[in-house]
Amino acid sequence: ETGVTQSPTHLIKTRGQQVTLRCSSQSGHNTVSWYQQALGQGPQFIFQYYREEENGRGNFPPRFSGLQFPNYSSELNVNALELDDSALYLCASSGGTSGANVLTFGAGSRLTVL
Amino acid sequence: QKEVEQDPGPLSVPEGAIVSLNCTYSNSAFQYFMWYRQYSRKGPELLMYTYSSGNKEDGRFTAQVDKSSKYISLFIRDSQPSDSATYLCAMSPTSNTGTASKLTFGTGTRLQVTL
Repeated sequence: ETGVTQSPTHLIKTRGQQVTLRCSSQSGHNTVSWYQQALGQGPQFIFQYYREEENGRGNFPPRFSGLQFPNYSSELNVNALELDDSALYLCASSGGTSGANVLTFGAGSRLTVL
Repeated sequence: QKEVEQDPGPLSVPEGAIVSLNCTYSNSAFQYFMWYRQYSRKGPELLMYTYSSGNKEDGRFTAQVDKSSKYISLFIRDSQPSDSATYLCAMSPTSNTGTASKLTFGTGTRLQVTL
């Protein structure tokens, strides 16, 4: 059984650029959620995808968007990057027999915006 | 005021000590309570999962939930240097598919267990 994998692990962008982060969910999980973790803070919920649709969103602007694919993998897209977007972006999968709120996290993608 | 408050530490204890980590919360809708451990440059890893009030034990770890006080705790017995990590409390109002993965996290407490 594979866990949650994320790519890339690190990336550097400049203000105003766009970024796409990718996530493969754990086998048997049908729900993917994305979190933003700033340095020294707890993860903040961005949004959740279930059956390829966004069905829950945290307090993040529309320039944060996502996709879920039929194989339950997911992408997070951020447009018009701002300096404050620098953070660790965590993908988590859930569902199946483990319960909808039992999340398995990936190692994250660390984004630096200059 | 944040929905979940957690002392960021850092907390430094000698090997073998009993560690107590705590969170308070304000949202009475929270029903599910978790503790995650996060090593440096890694994603959070689920340690304990409890529903409503009460205690749950798993090896050296004990989780306590007091919903009347809106207070949860994680105790680590016989702490080891490998326990050195950031411990995050997290909460959810539901286990239904809808928005169940919207967890509210504390800021995390950094724990250092010294030899």
